Amino acid sequence: EVRLLESGGGLVQPGGSLRLSCAASGFDFSYYAMNWVRQAPGKGLEWVSAIGTYSTNTYYADSVKGRFTISRDNSKNTLYLQMSSLGAEDAAVYYCAKAPSGSFEPIDPWGQGTLVTVSS
Amino acid sequence: QSVLTQPPSASGTPGQRVTISCSGSSSSIGSNTVNWYQQLPGTAPKLLIYGNNQRASGVPDRFSGSKSGTSASLAISGLQSEDEADYYCAAWDDSLNGRYVFGTGTKVTVL
Repeated sequence: EVRLLESGGGLVQPGGSLRLSCAASGFDFSYYAMNWVRQAPGKGLEWVSAIGTYSTNTYYADSVKGRFTISRDNSKNTLYLQMSSLGAEDAAVYYCAKAPSGSFEPIDPWGQGTLVTVSS
Repeated sequence: QSVLTQPPSASGTPGQRVTISCSGSSSSIGSNTVNWYQQLPGTAPKLLIYGNNQRASGVPDRFSGSKSGTSASLAISGLQSEDEADYYCAAWDDSLNGRYVFGTGTKVTVL
């Protein structure tokens, strides 16, 4: 069974930084692209970033480009999202999600999410 | 920054058919396949339809998807109370170096 467990969320001050992690199990992590998707409270889904199997390709939403960095450690079966210069608009539940082999989408399955709160 | 437009809400009585539209552009839906996600209250989204019209594993056949040009639609026939959820279309967008875009979302209410 595929399992994705996000961690690292919490309260951060405006302008601060945070690193999210996603521990993957139940599949050969190194063979699959991965995504981060977020959802602000009461709002819709927003794709954040995607990374290819050996980190050769990365993609970012315009809203986070230059502030967020996606990375992965295939030896640890872990996906990361380094976030900096955080603002109120970044407050959301962040989901880690798997892509099929050879593509970045469709996204399935999803983790349960980790909540990021930006407040002073 | 959603570039796929959906109606904010849809509703029907049990057993009715409900259709949700999703409007995109030539660089998104016009060039790529469409996926649909279902988000039940308080839970993470799950894949419902992929490749325009393929049901994901375990999805009942009352859910169906279609695509034409730069638009797509999701139909739920034989609406059931457990179908009350938020539904999102999504597609890869080839503009701006590539990105995945979600629709604005549609809340389906079973009356």
